[in-house]
Amino acid sequence: EAGVAQSPRYKIIEKRQSVAFWCNPISGHATLYWYQQILGQGPKLLIQFQNNGVVDDSQLPKDRFSAERLKGVDSTLKIQPAKLEDSAVYLCASSLRGPFGTGAYNEQFFGPGTRLTVL
Amino acid sequence: DAKTTQPPSMDCAEGRAANLPCNHSTISGNEYVYWYRQIHSQGPQYIIHGLKNNETNEMASLIITEDRKSSTLILPHATLRDTAVYYCIDTGNQFYFGTGTSLTVIP
Repeated sequence: EAGVAQSPRYKIIEKRQSVAFWCNPISGHATLYWYQQILGQGPKLLIQFQNNGVVDDSQLPKDRFSAERLKGVDSTLKIQPAKLEDSAVYLCASSLRGPFGTGAYNEQFFGPGTRLTVL
Repeated sequence: DAKTTQPPSMDCAEGRAANLPCNHSTISGNEYVYWYRQIHSQGPQYIIHGLKNNETNEMASLIITEDRKSSTLILPHATLRDTAVYYCIDTGNQFYFGTGTSLTVIP
């Protein structure tokens, strides 16, 4: 079974530039997550999609970050314009389903991440 | 704010059991406890989860106290490849990873 694919693996940009990341989840996985992981911290959930609809984007800085999942398969995360504090690893994950019942989640499968450096 | 607390680091001798504690003092009745680990430069990997009962799979065992306020992840025979950051998560606050426990398995 192919895993979660992300590209690019590394990106270096200057502040105020724009950048986009791409994620292809595991085939058949309805739920897709984007996380931001700053050095020395755990991953922080930015946005969660169920098929092509947004389930939770409460921690997404919407003034500069946007994400879409057209057709409910692959997804892109964009930052425009980038700031120095956006330097981080951006992780994409997918699961067969999202939250179900009253608090159980399906296992999330993570991609290798995209390491963004903003100069 | 973090809803789980873990020691920042632990060491374990190779071949011995690694016991990683987690306090989830604000967990409510329908919230699950999940454990993930992250090996350097890789994405997190699911290990195990539970609600009330102890759980075991091919990777680890999960012991949850009766009041559900704490849990322990047990790696029965730690190997060098188990060196990683281990995250305890309760599902009441989205999927908040916190800073985890950095486990070093020593030869």
